[in-house]
Amino acid sequence: SQQGEEDPQALSIQEGENATMNCSYKTSINNLQWYRQNSGRGLVHLILIRSNEREKHSGRLRVTLDTSKKSSSLLITASRAADTASYFCATVAPLNSGYSTLTFGKGTMLLVSP
Amino acid sequence: DVKVTQSSRYLVKRTGEKVFLECVQDMDHENMFWYRQDPGLGLRLIYFSYDVKMKEKGDIPEGYSVSREKKERFSLILESASTNQTSMYLCASSPGGYSNQPQHFGDGTRLSIL
Repeated sequence: SQQGEEDPQALSIQEGENATMNCSYKTSINNLQWYRQNSGRGLVHLILIRSNEREKHSGRLRVTLDTSKKSSSLLITASRAADTASYFCATVAPLNSGYSTLTFGKGTMLLVSP
Repeated sequence: DVKVTQSSRYLVKRTGEKVFLECVQDMDHENMFWYRQDPGLGLRLIYFSYDVKMKEKGDIPEGYSVSREKKERFSLILESASTNQTSMYLCASSPGGYSNQPQHFGDGTRLSIL
């Protein structure tokens, strides 16, 4: 079961530019989370935004949430080559078993060129 | 800092073999998860466990089983490995309570079944 879907699938920018990626989801949420995955590694939690928040900042990251449109965006300002990674949004969705757990989108691959 | 350790980064096995993937976390988390990640399909949940000896099926449990005899350790078992189980396997853990807690991931095991 997939709840979130990121857009675009891939994004290529130059160092110093801003990168924006979007996430749309289907059902109501308590929070939405963003993760980063460097090539060949595990996912790392970046930021969590609660359903009653509209915007949240962490360093060069800015996340917005629009619950009426069921969408979120992740903005990375002044991108660096080290930001090259895949970025995933995650929200809670029900499994067939009746339990609920975090589900992840397919991710946006960000390439930042020097 | 939470550490989730997967026993192998790379593993090569033959079809029909019984394969064990081990995961250990050091933060006393109640929840542990096994995912597989394939290009174009994102992360798919195989099984998760919310307590010792407790397990729940995820989206794709067929061909897999799990074992959680101790709180810190969660094992994924491929009963009879097949080539379509070649994939990247990721283990994660999270605190108990709400299902929307951030998850902490290991670095993954890239498994090849020949």
